[in-house]
Amino acid sequence: DTAVSQTPKYLVTQMGNDKSIKCEQNLGHDTMYWYKQDSKKFLKIMFSYNNKELIINETVPNRFSPKSPDKAHLNLHINSLELGDSAVYFCASSPDPTGDQPQHFGDGTRLSIL
Amino acid sequence: EDKVVQSPLSLVVHEGDTVTLNCSYEVTNFRSLLWYKQEKKAPTFLFMLTSSGIEKKSGRLSSILDKKELFSILNITATQTGDSAVYLCAVDPHLFSGSARQLTFGSGTQLTVLP
Repeated sequence: DTAVSQTPKYLVTQMGNDKSIKCEQNLGHDTMYWYKQDSKKFLKIMFSYNNKELIINETVPNRFSPKSPDKAHLNLHINSLELGDSAVYFCASSPDPTGDQPQHFGDGTRLSIL
Repeated sequence: EDKVVQSPLSLVVHEGDTVTLNCSYEVTNFRSLLWYKQEKKAPTFLFMLTSSGIEKKSGRLSSILDKKELFSILNITATQTGDSAVYLCAVDPHLFSGSARQLTFGSGTQLTVLP
């Protein structure tokens, strides 16, 4: 009974392609996040959604578009993939955006651009 | 810009040793500091610290925050090979009333515990 699950776990694709990563949480949380972890292990916030509404949108290229069909799902679509997009993408969730509860992370999606 | 610096970047010890991992931060308005353990996959939550001087403890792990000197330490006593992981520190700034959590992570400390 995985709490935060991402698919796929690995994604290898060519430059210029469009791809999507899906995330689902069964914790009943209201808030979900996407993070990018680069080769130096820095985790950087990309987006945050609360109850299907965007609340944080960091400076990421507009090739990245998150979509939240319901509060249990937050998908990430990436257009025109570039070499620099290679990273591990983590989805996370928390009960609410401002409370004192920590975020729970998924296992990550390793994206490799050829 | 908020900043989190962890040291050392990597550490190799033997089972039974005690280790101290450091995290210093610069943030405009501080709300909390969090420690996570990352093995091969998802970072897993260890501690959340909001007040200075109050030690949080879980088994062999403990952590404390110093809001005056802007740092936190994570201690692991009697280390085991299963403690080998990257330990991430993150700071949650308080941007404005009701603002959403926006964690800034450090680059982590890679801990390797040898048998």
